[in-house]
Amino acid sequence: DAKTTQPTSMDCAEGRAANLPCNHSTISGNEYVYWYRQIHSQGPQYIIHGLKNNETNEMASLIITEDRKSSTLILPHATLRDTAVYYCIALNSGGSNYKLTFGKGTLLTVNP
Amino acid sequence: EPEVTQTPSHQVTQMGQEVILRCVPISNHLYFYWYRQILGQKVEFLVSFYNNEISEKSEIFDDQFSVERPDGSNFTLKIRSTKLEDSAMYFCASRVRGTTGYTFGSGTRLTVV
Repeated sequence: DAKTTQPTSMDCAEGRAANLPCNHSTISGNEYVYWYRQIHSQGPQYIIHGLKNNETNEMASLIITEDRKSSTLILPHATLRDTAVYYCIALNSGGSNYKLTFGKGTLLTVNP
Repeated sequence: EPEVTQTPSHQVTQMGQEVILRCVPISNHLYFYWYRQILGQKVEFLVSFYNNEISEKSEIFDDQFSVERPDGSNFTLKIRSTKLEDSAMYFCASRVRGTTGYTFGSGTRLTVV
């Protein structure tokens, strides 16, 4: 699976959009981009995933660049409860095990 | 919303003792996983389980570890002879099929003393 690179930390004001970047310049054509988050010491929580097209669900939007070398997770109206470590993971769809390899992620702190 | 349930939430055990960590995955899910997170470190893959057998395991998952799905609902992780370095949060996860994301449980904090 391709390596991903994320900033170590980011801050966001409550109510504003949080835009979390991820670089995955070596991603291959059959690798999806997945986003999970981990609120302090809890189990990771699935947020969203995509292959080529932008995706949106009730939690977030995922914007993937046309060359697929980077993506951005958008939390449209961040709340204090969105403070967490956010993980961007590239995952090969051809492997049925879908083993997740977590990096250090981005610690997003939402400030009042 | 369906949940993955893990018990106990916290377990303290003596070094060398056996422990069994229990998980109840979501009922229609087909793929099951154990991950662990040592305090302050990354979440690490241990093992994946599908169709009643291990489909992949990491280097961490040595002969001291085993998994079982004894009754079609529970999914257990056994550590035969615990070491101090096994102290960690252990997360169970499951997913249904295809490209869907995992659902993780809230974890069991294992402390080996």
